[in-house]
Parts: sequence; structure tokens; C-alpha cells
Amino acid sequence: SQQGEEDPQALSIQEGENATMNCSYKTSINNLQWYRQNSGRGLVHLILIRSNEREKHSGRLRVTLDTSKKSSSLLITASRAADTASYFCARGELTGGGNKLTFGTGTQLKVEL
Amino acid sequence: DAGVTQSPTHLIKTRGQQVTLRCSPKSGHDTVSWYQQALGQGPQFIFQYYEEEERQRGNFPDRFSGHQFPNYSSELNVNALLLGDSALYLCASSFGGGLAKNIQYFGAGTRLSVL
Repeated sequence: SQQGEEDPQALSIQEGENATMNCSYKTSINNLQWYRQNSGRGLVHLILIRSNEREKHSGRLRVTLDTSKKSSSLLITASRAADTASYFCARGELTGGGNKLTFGTGTQLKVEL
Repeated sequence: DAGVTQSPTHLIKTRGQQVTLRCSPKSGHDTVSWYQQALGQGPQFIFQYYEEEERQRGNFPDRFSGHQFPNYSSELNVNALLLGDSALYLCASSFGGGLAKNIQYFGAGTRLSVL
């Protein structure tokens, strides 16, 4: 079963605008991660935020985490057409071999010229 | 440095058949996880292999089995295929040790169609 729900399911914006995607989850986390997927192929890791962190930045990406509300958001600033993809949040659970990821349902982002 | 490689890229099978998917992890990685992604959905965790043993398993029936070899490569086997097994199967590798910072790197996937 999928733990997270992304909101919105689909988002269409103009190039240069900011895109915000939200993620909610149901159980406690060790960490929360965001991934990007182009055209139904492999996923690319974007950013990891630990449960004791509140905000993290990476280039044009900003992720926030509110463990009291069990929610996270991903902000992409100054979007580009190349940012068009599906974005997934994933709850990270530590196992002996590293993280077990439980993905949400994803947000389809379309950035138009 | 090659990333995670999966083979084959596409596969067409009929109901009741068996299939084997293969994955070679990124150099230096010793942990392999498998995910199933149905169309329009997020990936779902099947199982994870570390030190040649299945360490974690998701909510998948015993028809799904796997193996990890001494060189860390892995296979996913699915028996008695059902139409509902049609999906993109993703392999991800990471360096073990139970550290949150050890993120997973994904292959491009194998698209399985069951007719």
C-alpha cells in the first residue's frame, strides 16, 4: 500500500514560475525523500530530509518538513521546461540494508514555455 | 562509472508464464531493492536484498521471489503471471549499513506486459 499522498495530482505552470507540491504521510518517519521521474522511466533522487530537520535546500529546490502535521512540501523556483516530470515523495524506513522507501501517488508537473 | 542497469528493457509474456528480471547495482553498492510501479501510480516496494539475503519484504505474494549473487547483482522472478502483474519493475541500489544518508539509485526499469 502507498503511504503518502501528493497534492495536487497535476500541476501546470508557465516557465519561470514557482511550483509547489505537497506530501502527506500517515506513520512516523526516519526521513522523507523526493524523487523525480521522467516519462515513466527510472527515478532520480532529488533531496532527503531527516525527521529532525525542518528545511533543506538544493539549488532551485526547497523542501520543508512538518512532523507534527505529517507533511512535507517541495518548492521548485524559477521552473524550466526541463522540470516537466512526475514528482514523488517517499517515506524512508531504515532497514539493515539501508532505506526501504514507501512512495506516494505523485504529482505530474508540466512547465510550459 | 556505470549506474544501475536492468535487463531486459521490455518484456511481453502471457498469463501463467514465468519471468526473470535482472539488475546490476551501481559500482560500490551492496544492497538491491525491487519496486513495482503500475501505470499512474507510485512505486511499491517488493523486497530488498543485502548480503545475499532477503531483508525486507513488501505486501507481495510468494509468486514474487528474488536472489542476490556474490557480486551483488540481483534477479526478480515472478511465477504464474497474472494480467495485474503488468507494470514497470524498478531496481534500486544503495550502500548498506542502515544509514539514512545512503540514498537509492534507480535503474531505468523493465516494462513487463502480460497478455
